[in-house]
Amino acid sequence: AQRVTQPEKLLSVFKGAPVELKCNYSYSGSPELFWYVQYSRQRLQLLLRHISRESIKGFTADLNKGETSFHLKKPFAQEEDSAMYYCALGSDRGSTLGRLYFGRGTQLTVWP
Amino acid sequence: DTGVSQNPRHKITKRGQNVTFRCDPISEHNRLYWYRQTLGQGPEFLTYFQNEAQLEKSRLLSDRFSAERPKGSFSTLEIQRTEQGDSAMYLCASSLPGLYEQYFGPGTRLTVT
Repeated sequence: AQRVTQPEKLLSVFKGAPVELKCNYSYSGSPELFWYVQYSRQRLQLLLRHISRESIKGFTADLNKGETSFHLKKPFAQEEDSAMYYCALGSDRGSTLGRLYFGRGTQLTVWP
Repeated sequence: DTGVSQNPRHKITKRGQNVTFRCDPISEHNRLYWYRQTLGQGPEFLTYFQNEAQLEKSRLLSDRFSAERPKGSFSTLEIQRTEQGDSAMYLCASSLPGLYEQYFGPGTRLTVT
């Protein structure tokens, strides 16, 4: 069964510190992984997807199929990074193609 | 505004009443998704459309829930005989076909008293 696990509900770091938000997944097909972010009072929006291999706002995420992980990392956290982060897995199969499975989210707080 | 819009933004209703929510997707997007989000959880898939065809419904979508997308444009989600457990944020998203980025609306917060 498809499953996305974000083990940390809350994560706090100080400004300038490295941050890593963990995401593990369970999926028997070829996973398409995403990180979505929701800033306070804003709608959910895509931060990055693994196939693009981009760095968005200083964040990167590498898909590790051996460890079934897709952790989100940033070397130097900023206060404006404070938000709720959701890891999501996209289905590549038949009628469920495009459907997203979300983790429960990690609330990141960056202290000044 | 070219983003996904949802109406109403908030809905308070009494148990047993029917409610209907509307979602207007980005105009060129032919895929439309409905998700439900409860406190402390990520969005959970409910159903989705490609154009006017409803392609999949989650087991979460009981018989009291129905969704339509006439003419492949806006979509409505109706909940009949609401229950307190239906209280949640209902999110709509749209995308181009396949595993493209999904653009989310602001959501409709339903409170059933």
